[in-house]
Parts: sequence; C-alpha cells; structure tokens
Amino acid sequence: QVQLKESGPGLVQPSQTLSLTCTVSGFSLTSYNVHWVRQPPGKGLEWMGVIWSGGNTDYNSALKPRLSISRDTSKSQVFLTMNSLQTEDTGIYYCNRNQAYWGQGVMVTVSS
Amino acid sequence: DIVMTQTPSSQAVSAGEKVTMSCKSSQSLLYNENKKNYLAWYQQKPGQSPKLLIYWASTRESGVPDRFIGSGSGTDFTLTISSVQAEDLAVYYCQQYYNFPYTFGAGTKLELK
Repeated sequence: QVQLKESGPGLVQPSQTLSLTCTVSGFSLTSYNVHWVRQPPGKGLEWMGVIWSGGNTDYNSALKPRLSISRDTSKSQVFLTMNSLQTEDTGIYYCNRNQAYWGQGVMVTVSS
Repeated sequence: DIVMTQTPSSQAVSAGEKVTMSCKSSQSLLYNENKKNYLAWYQQKPGQSPKLLIYWASTRESGVPDRFIGSGSGTDFTLTISSVQAEDLAVYYCQQYYNFPYTFGAGTKLELK
C-alpha cells in the first residue's frame, strides 16, 4: 500500500540547514508528485513546494530563496533542504502524494 | 498569493447536528477550460496528519463518508456535514491548488457543545 515516512533531525540550530527525507513505498516517484507541507505548533498548514513526477519543482515564493526539493528515484526518496533556519521554522514537516496520502510528519525544533 | 478565508474559526456542535462551514478565496478557483474548481477540503484530528476529504470542490475522496458534502464555485465554497458524529470533531482546512503557492485557510475547529 501507499506509504510515506519523513525522517530527519529533531533539533536544528538557528542559521543552520535542515535536511529531511521522505521515503515512499507502494508507488513510483516517476508517476506521482510529492509535496511538502509544514505546520507550526498549534497553527495552520503551509504549502512549501512540490517535486513533479517528471522531476521539475515548484516552490512557495516566500521560501524559495532558502528551499530545495530533490529526489533519488532509485531509493524512492524525496529530499527537502532549507537553509538559514530561524525559530519560526519550528514545526511539523509533512510530505504527501498529490495531497491524498500523507506521512506521519516529523517535528523539527529550531533552537540553540 | 490567493488568500483563503475560512469562517467560523470555531464552532460548537452536538452529535446529529447539520454543520456548515465556509471558505472564500480572494480570486476565482474555477478554471474555465475544464470547468473545475481547484479547491480541496481536509480534516485534521489532534496529533494526526491532515486527511483529504474533498477535491475539485465537491468530489469525495474514496472512503470518505457521504455525510461530508462539498459545494460552491468560483470564490465561495462550503463544507457541510449532514449529521455530525463524535469522530468528526477536528479542524477542517480548505486549500486552493489553482495557483502557486497553494494556500490553505486558517481552519475551522469543530468542538463539542
């Protein structure tokens, strides 16, 4: 069945770089799009970006200078990299397939 | 960016009650080429990931109970729960996928009366 699972460091220091991995199973990254969405504690959802099945990417313009999404199709993994992290980047980071199948999310805390 | 405005922000309900919540977009989400509204609804329970309920404004995702009804077109959309069940207590978000960045509303929280 379709599954997505996010992984990465739970704690990142301010000004450092965040690297997250979304490992998928039950489908091919060359057939489906994968989105990243984040949610600050107790707040709403923010769409971050997408890697399309063809490999192209689109980003939230507010995050674009800091954000990169890539993939390794052979490993069924999608990567999110975001630099210059600040405390307001603290939250749960989710990957999802075409908004229908979501991972459990990974909590990221930006703190020294 | 397209701004999504959801009302009310919270609503107290009783089991069996009919509930409606609104989502308005700052520009039309109707794509004239295919006559589809690029609007989705999600349910999020505490400690859980969002769950897709409705897409194309009115199409229920597979497995979603038929008490969840999406309606509307253009800039005004509604999610109706025909008879609220205890398991429906959650936060409901609308999202547009007409333009980048895809944007969400702030959510409507359903609470027990």
